[in-house]
Amino acid sequence: EVHLEESGGGLVQPGGSLTLSCAASGFTFSSYEMNWVRQAPGKGLEWVAYISSGGSTISYRDSVKGRFTISRDNAKNSLYLQMDSLRADDTAVYYCARDMYSSAWTIDYWGQGTRVTVTS
Amino acid sequence: DIQMTQSPSSLSASVGDRVTITCRASQSIGTYLSWYQQSPGKAPILLIYAASTLQSGVPSRFSGSGSGTHFTLTISSLQPEDFSNYYCQQSYGTPLTFGGGTKVDIK
Repeated sequence: EVHLEESGGGLVQPGGSLTLSCAASGFTFSSYEMNWVRQAPGKGLEWVAYISSGGSTISYRDSVKGRFTISRDNAKNSLYLQMDSLRADDTAVYYCARDMYSSAWTIDYWGQGTRVTVTS
Repeated sequence: DIQMTQSPSSLSASVGDRVTITCRASQSIGTYLSWYQQSPGKAPILLIYAASTLQSGVPSRFSGSGSGTHFTLTISSLQPEDFSNYYCQQSYGTPLTFGGGTKVDIK
């Protein structure tokens, strides 16, 4: 059974940093492209970042470029999101999300999410 | 970026009703369109991909149609567990973009 479990969320001050992790199990992690998607309180879904199966291709939404870094460790079946220079509008639940198949841009499995709150 | 516009933003319906949600793309995306269901406090669930393909395990009362810029999600006979939020998403390419969501609640 596919399982994605995020961790690392919490309370952080504006300008601070946080690293989110996602532990994957139940599938061959190294074969799948992965994403981070977030959801601000009471709002809709917003794609944040993408990484290819081998990690060579990466893409970000404009508002996080230069501040967030997506990475993966296929040996550890783990996905990461390093978040720097955090702002209040980064407050959200962050979901680790698996692409259905190569270049599908369709998410077939989601983790339960980890909450990030940016506040002074 | 491709903008996705859903309508209505909310609707009230009764068990057994037929419900249709519309999603429009700001440019043609072929059939690169997915639909998700999300209950409060839960992660989204994939319902439909490629505009009309039912994801494995999803009840057949859910169906999707459309191509180009106009898409619909239909629930043929609303069940109690279907009262939830629904989102469309273009799968044409990055940045992936979602519609604003449609909340389906009990009349």
